[in-house]
Amino acid sequence: LAKTTQPISMDSYEGQEVNITCSHNNIATNDYITWYQQFPSQGPRFIIQGYKTKVTNEVASLFIPADRKSSTLSLPRVSLSDTAVYYCLVGDFSGGYNKLIFGAGTRLAVHP
Amino acid sequence: NAGVTQTPKFQVLKTGQSMTLQCAQDMNHEYMSWYRQDPGMGLRLIHYSVGAGITDQGEVPNGYNVSRSTTEDFPLRLLSAAPSQTSVYFCASSAMTSGRETQYFGPGTRLLVL
Repeated sequence: LAKTTQPISMDSYEGQEVNITCSHNNIATNDYITWYQQFPSQGPRFIIQGYKTKVTNEVASLFIPADRKSSTLSLPRVSLSDTAVYYCLVGDFSGGYNKLIFGAGTRLAVHP
Repeated sequence: NAGVTQTPKFQVLKTGQSMTLQCAQDMNHEYMSWYRQDPGMGLRLIHYSVGAGITDQGEVPNGYNVSRSTTEDFPLRLLSAAPSQTSVYFCASSAMTSGRETQYFGPGTRLLVL
C-alpha cells in the first residue's frame, strides 16, 4: 500500500508557476499517480493522472521521474481561483478499491 | 447529465437516531464509494461497491451500512448516530480501466450529530 508525503501548505502569487511534489517511495509496479483538487465546501475534482514521464492537459502537467518514487504537479501561471487543497494519490484498482488513501493534501494559497 | 448527486445537503441528528444519506450517479459507473472528511483532514473511505449487489468495507466502516441494488444508487445508512460521526460525507463514482481511476465526487452532505 503506497503511502504519499506532500507538503502541508504552500504560498504563491498570481501569475507564478507552482510545483507541488509528492513522495511515494513504496509505489508498486501497477500503481498510477493521480492528483485531485478540492475547493472549500466541494468534493475533490480530478486534475491529472500518469504512470511515468510527463503528462500534460489543459489544467496542469505531471512530471514523474524514471524511478517513480516521486511526482510533481505543475500549475502554470496560477490565479486566485487555484487556491485549494491538492491531493496526491497512488494506487491500482485491480487489487481492490480500498487501496486508495487520501492524505491531508497540500493547501495552496495564491495571493494577489 | 447530472453526474453524482447527494441528498440531503445538510442534516442535524440527535445521538442514537438513524438516517440514510442518498447518492446517485447517471454515468453508468461500476464503482461507487463513500468517504468522510473531518475538518482539516483528508478523505477516509467508509464503504465501496464494485457493482450492483457487491459491497465491501473501506478504512472506517464501523457504524455505517451500505447496499447497492442498482448501478445508479448507493445509499449510506447510519444505524445509530454518534457525535463522532459529525463530518462531511462525499459520495464518488468511477469507471475503472486497466488499473486507472478517475473518481467523480458529489457535492457532499454535512452531518451534525448532537
